[in-house]
Amino acid sequence: EPEVTQTPSHQVTQMGQEVILRCVPISNHLYFYWYRQILGQKVEFLVSFYNNEISEKSEIFDDQFSVERPDGSNFTLKIRSTKLEDSAMYFCASSAGGTGAYEQYFGPGTRLTVT
Amino acid sequence: DAKTTQPPSMDCAEGRAANLPCNHSTISGNEYVYWYRQIHSQGPQYIIHGLKNNETNEMASLIITEDRKSSTLILPHATLRDTAVYYCIVRVAGSGTYKYIFGTGTRLKVLA
Repeated sequence: EPEVTQTPSHQVTQMGQEVILRCVPISNHLYFYWYRQILGQKVEFLVSFYNNEISEKSEIFDDQFSVERPDGSNFTLKIRSTKLEDSAMYFCASSAGGTGAYEQYFGPGTRLTVT
Repeated sequence: DAKTTQPPSMDCAEGRAANLPCNHSTISGNEYVYWYRQIHSQGPQYIIHGLKNNETNEMASLIITEDRKSSTLILPHATLRDTAVYYCIVRVAGSGTYKYIFGTGTRLKVLA
């Protein structure tokens, strides 16, 4: 069964450093998403991406964040200068469609720890 | 904010049906209800979704009331591996895509 994969599973970085979280969505999916979950809190929407551009972003997704689909398979989330409060699980998701009854499939997540 | 409300926790005996309720009184006519679950800190796992009719798949059944203001997820024979946080989600339309607004979910504990 196709699945979303994410690397690395755990990333430790120092405050102020740049990190790139990587995702490989399901191959025939066209819509991509990033969510995050701070420990003990809700899963929060960050950004949706379609046709090589951002469709929507939340208030959390400020100028420190960027997303890219550098090739036909990867989807990345970059945080330019990490802060302690960026420590969270980051989940990538993909769906075959953006409207209609299309479910999103989530990856296993990357745990980001900022020290 | 999430458009759904769920009880914070429920217990269910192993082998019995687990019935997880969800209220979504402000749902619009074309908005779908989705159910996901999250085991520990793993990625949310899709379970089922519906619009108006009841739905069933290999994992669960979804019962939606006629007025669509509430729904119930049914796990027919709960096992210990079904212990998880269950999220009822009404998608929110964005610009060209839909996004999920997660609430706090129901923490289901299946008891041996």
